[in-house]
Amino acid sequence: EAQVTQNPRYLITVTGKKLTVTCSQNMNHEYMSWYRQDPGLGLRQIYYSMNVEVTDKGDVPEGYKVSRKEKRNFPLILESPSPNQTSLYFCASRLGSERGGFLFFGEGSRLTVL
Amino acid sequence: GNSVTQMEGPVTLSEEAFLTINCTYTATGYPSLFWYVQYPGEGLQLLLKATKADDKGSNKGFEATYRKETTSFHLEKGSVQVSDSAVYFCALYTGGFKTIFGAGTRLFVKA
Repeated sequence: EAQVTQNPRYLITVTGKKLTVTCSQNMNHEYMSWYRQDPGLGLRQIYYSMNVEVTDKGDVPEGYKVSRKEKRNFPLILESPSPNQTSLYFCASRLGSERGGFLFFGEGSRLTVL
Repeated sequence: GNSVTQMEGPVTLSEEAFLTINCTYTATGYPSLFWYVQYPGEGLQLLLKATKADDKGSNKGFEATYRKETTSFHLEKGSVQVSDSAVYFCALYTGGFKTIFGAGTRLFVKA
């Protein structure tokens, strides 16, 4: 089954404690991206990756890091989480830049930073 | 720049009512247009899409027609069910790295 898998689904942590949210896709997609979803603000792109070892900032990259060492994995790293990073996070992937290409989303990771 | 504007919610309907969620866009070039749906506690999933003018996307009883002259992609369903309660996102993609999403419209369907 084609899917994007995120872990953990729920996490409560404290300010400053480094954490990683993993994302893996099994569709051999080139493109992967992270979004955060906040009430009233919709979906905002954090980082994206067009292919292995190619990553770039989205609209709200501050406080986040990513890496793309393998095609299937695209972890999101919060080096020193702060309460304003409390949010619902989604990883998504797409085959490439083809016309009509649509995003496959993971189920989301709800993060609370105390 | 590119943008998507969709009607604010929430939209509350009774079961079997007709649904319209308006979506208009601004884009350079010829975007592909999408509707995504987010059911409670889940990620977004593609509902339907259209890749060129006058195309009609359809799925699960939902339809939307790509109208270039009015830059619109309104979502419609003739008879909604309680199970259609969700948040609906209109989106556009012109290639490259970014999909532009609307703010989302929450739909509540009452039995």
